[in-house]
Amino acid sequence: AQSVTQLDSQVPVFEEAPVELRCNYSSSVSVYLFWYVQYPNQGLQLLLKYLSGSTLVKGINGFEAEFNKSQTSFHLRKPSVHISDTAEYFCAVRSGNTPLVFGKGTRLSVIA
Amino acid sequence: DADVTQTPRNRITKTGKRIMLECSQTKGHDRMYWYRQDPGLGLRLIYYSFDVKDINKGEISDGYSVSRQAQAKFSLSLESAIPNQTALYFCATSARAGSNQPQHFGDGTRLSIL
Repeated sequence: AQSVTQLDSQVPVFEEAPVELRCNYSSSVSVYLFWYVQYPNQGLQLLLKYLSGSTLVKGINGFEAEFNKSQTSFHLRKPSVHISDTAEYFCAVRSGNTPLVFGKGTRLSVIA
Repeated sequence: DADVTQTPRNRITKTGKRIMLECSQTKGHDRMYWYRQDPGLGLRLIYYSFDVKDINKGEISDGYSVSRQAQAKFSLSLESAIPNQTALYFCATSARAGSNQPQHFGDGTRLSIL
């Protein structure tokens, strides 16, 4: 069975500062990894995904994530955040024919 | 128009009532899912369906049932609602092509049970 651990439930950061949202996963087989963002009162929107190939994945809105197989991690980063990045971020994993398994989310608050 | 549409968007009801949440999609996807979101718990899978005649239980199916009426429609029912089913419910879809396909979400149904 797969599982996802998002190491921080809340991350406050000042505007224009860098941010890293941490995600670790466990699985006994090869996985596909995803980050989703949820803005207030909205559904989940795909930020980026790792399927295979380059371990550095670029997504929308200037976000990127790095897949590290040895550390079973898929941390999300942005070099300079904006107020509009305030949202909840979810890491998710799937393998084989199974539905996505989500972490509990990290609430990013960008402070002006 | 939204690709994945959930109705209603908000619902307040009483304990013991039967509730149906509906989901329809125009993406042509075979696979559909129902999740619930609770603060601090992330999204948890209730039921999923890989095809019209396929229904599978998820992590927290007790107290819920589903119906896949057509490829584009997947309904979630609470036969006798209870207060701890108060949550935000999401429908999602994905293409059949493989496990590397992302899931696409509706905007959610906020359900409050008094």
